[in-house]
Amino acid sequence: NAGVTQTPKFRILKIGQSMTLQCTQDMNHNYMYWYRQDPGMGLKLIYYSVGAGITDKGEVPNGYNVSRSTTEDFPLRLELAAPSQTSVYFCASRTGTENTEAFFGQGTRLTVV
Amino acid sequence: QKEVEQNSGPLSVPEGAIASLNCTYSDRGSQSFFWYRQYSGKSPELIMFIYSNGDKEDGRFTAQLNKASQYVSLLIRDSQPSDSATYLCAVNWYGNKLVFGAGTILRVKS
Repeated sequence: NAGVTQTPKFRILKIGQSMTLQCTQDMNHNYMYWYRQDPGMGLKLIYYSVGAGITDKGEVPNGYNVSRSTTEDFPLRLELAAPSQTSVYFCASRTGTENTEAFFGQGTRLTVV
Repeated sequence: QKEVEQNSGPLSVPEGAIASLNCTYSDRGSQSFFWYRQYSGKSPELIMFIYSNGDKEDGRFTAQLNKASQYVSLLIRDSQPSDSATYLCAVNWYGNKLVFGAGTILRVKS
């Protein structure tokens, strides 16, 4: 059972480039989340989804886009990368009830230069 | 106003002592609360969750929830050097929006 899988693990982007961070879960979870974690800080919610076809903004959505065409996949798109987007990105998922654990992927370390 | 607040620390305690970590939240409608532990360079992992007022114990860990005062705390008894990590408080908001605090760094000195 793979759980939550994120790719790539590391990436260096140049300013203005675009990329997609991939997130896949095999636990049939309805809820999926994208967070960013800056050095020495907590997790800030970027976007989340409560099911296929449904997404909503979190605390820091500017500069990002998401889609949820299947239950398993929740990709995060960065358009026109900026140095301020240098961070570690975590994807998480959990079942459709509020008292359940969120399982995290291993994270993607992104550097924009 | 921040939605979930934690003292960033670091909180230093000697080995064998009790570590007390606190978290306050702004939304009175929040129903469930989580404590995650994160080691440096790793992903967060769940320690405990709590949704009823009062205490919940699991081994050396006790979570305490006071909805009237809007705070949740985590007590770690008999702290060990392996408990040194960042502890993240998370609150479940309307529509299952899961929001985290900034985390508290705990250092257990042997």
